[in-house]
Amino acid sequence: DAGITQSPRHKVTETGTPVTLRCHQTENHRYMYWYRQDPGHGLRLIHYSYGVKDTDKGEVSDGYSVSRSKTEDFLLTLESATSSQTSVYFCATRGDRDVHEKLFFGSGTQLSVL
Amino acid sequence: QKEVEQNSGPLSVPEGAIASLNCTYSDRVSQSFFWYRQYSGKSPELIMSIYSNGDKEDGRFTAQLNKASQYVSLLIRDSQPSDSATYLCAVRGRDDKIIFGKGTRLHILP
Repeated sequence: DAGITQSPRHKVTETGTPVTLRCHQTENHRYMYWYRQDPGHGLRLIHYSYGVKDTDKGEVSDGYSVSRSKTEDFLLTLESATSSQTSVYFCATRGDRDVHEKLFFGSGTQLSVL
Repeated sequence: QKEVEQNSGPLSVPEGAIASLNCTYSDRVSQSFFWYRQYSGKSPELIMSIYSNGDKEDGRFTAQLNKASQYVSLLIRDSQPSDSATYLCAVRGRDDKIIFGKGTRLHILP
């Protein structure tokens, strides 16, 4: 399995507090993605990165920011958490030399905002 | 309107029959198309990727792409109970975004 590690695996926080989720990869993949998954909505793209310091918005980026200062790490920050951001967050990576363009997913982070 | 549309199901198929899953997408310049399978409580995993019009077969799975109709499908032959899962269609555009549909829940009836 690809080395994609998300931390923390579970987090409970209060409305209005900042939260940072970390995605760490050991595959030297160029592309990294943050998704959230909610019942009835499938996976929705929050932000993605196509290289160090290169990021772009996805479908549901409001209230989220990201940073990628090195290849291995992609951080997702909820600047002021709201209850609507309670979700399962998945990080995924993709190499740029894979003919199948496969996304490798982390195990997910369950975030509860009370 | 979401860029990638799927029927949410559930789709119930008898064991041994063919399961047919469908997906449409809105961005005509989309480059690559994928089917992922996700078991409850687990991460998605890639089943098939397809890039050109026509059929692509891998074991019991066949992906079909029709770019003119902006339509992707997945056929699962000889369906097994272990195929019961949510199937996610995904599309990559020229900007490297990978957008998923809402997923179709598939239930194989023993």
